[in-house]
Amino acid sequence: SQKIEQNSEALNIQEGKTATLTCNYTNYSPAYLQWYRQDPGRGPVFLLLIRENEKEKRKERLKVTFDTTLKQSLFHITASQPADSATYLCALRNTGGFKTIFGAGTRLFVKA
Amino acid sequence: NAGVMQNPRHLVRRRGQEARLRCSPMKGHSHVYWYRQLPEEGLKFMVYLQKENIIDESGMPKERFSAEFPKEGPSILRIQQVVRGDSAAYFCASSQPLAGEYEQYFGPGTRLTVT
Repeated sequence: SQKIEQNSEALNIQEGKTATLTCNYTNYSPAYLQWYRQDPGRGPVFLLLIRENEKEKRKERLKVTFDTTLKQSLFHITASQPADSATYLCALRNTGGFKTIFGAGTRLFVKA
Repeated sequence: NAGVMQNPRHLVRRRGQEARLRCSPMKGHSHVYWYRQLPEEGLKFMVYLQKENIIDESGMPKERFSAEFPKEGPSILRIQQVVRGDSAAYFCASSQPLAGEYEQYFGPGTRLTVT
């Protein structure tokens, strides 16, 4: 069956450290993968998109990697800040498909 | 430059009533997606529409749920004869009409409570 999985346990890290979140998928062939941030009571906000032929993408303190062999994407936030505390969602669209499939998200807490 | 608008933000309905959720996409966007989110769960795709066309409704329940995106006006997600299990946050997202990949811009959501 098709699955997209993120760590269900919350990630607690100290301010200034690097947060690393994992997204694994099974039985999909995504053309690209996206990462979103969602704060409580609000809609998700797009952060980064990485295509299947890209290994790594960066934007300010954010970095995403995409390994189609391992079927995994890693999302890194360097020099984390308490304001980075939120739920982070990964999402993919299957090649040739129309709908975007979201993972359940990983909640990140950054302590000052 | 207004973002995606959804209304109402909160909607309370009794079992058996109808719920109508509205979504106005960002200016220039002609693609709309509807998602449902239960507490502590991820977003579940429901339907993908372009103006006057339903492109993919594979995530929509077979009964009681319908969606439209008319040539003029907002997209509407309609739930007939609501049941308690329909209580959830419903998010709409819009994107640009480009081929290939593109990010989705989400609205603030409508929180539906069925009593």
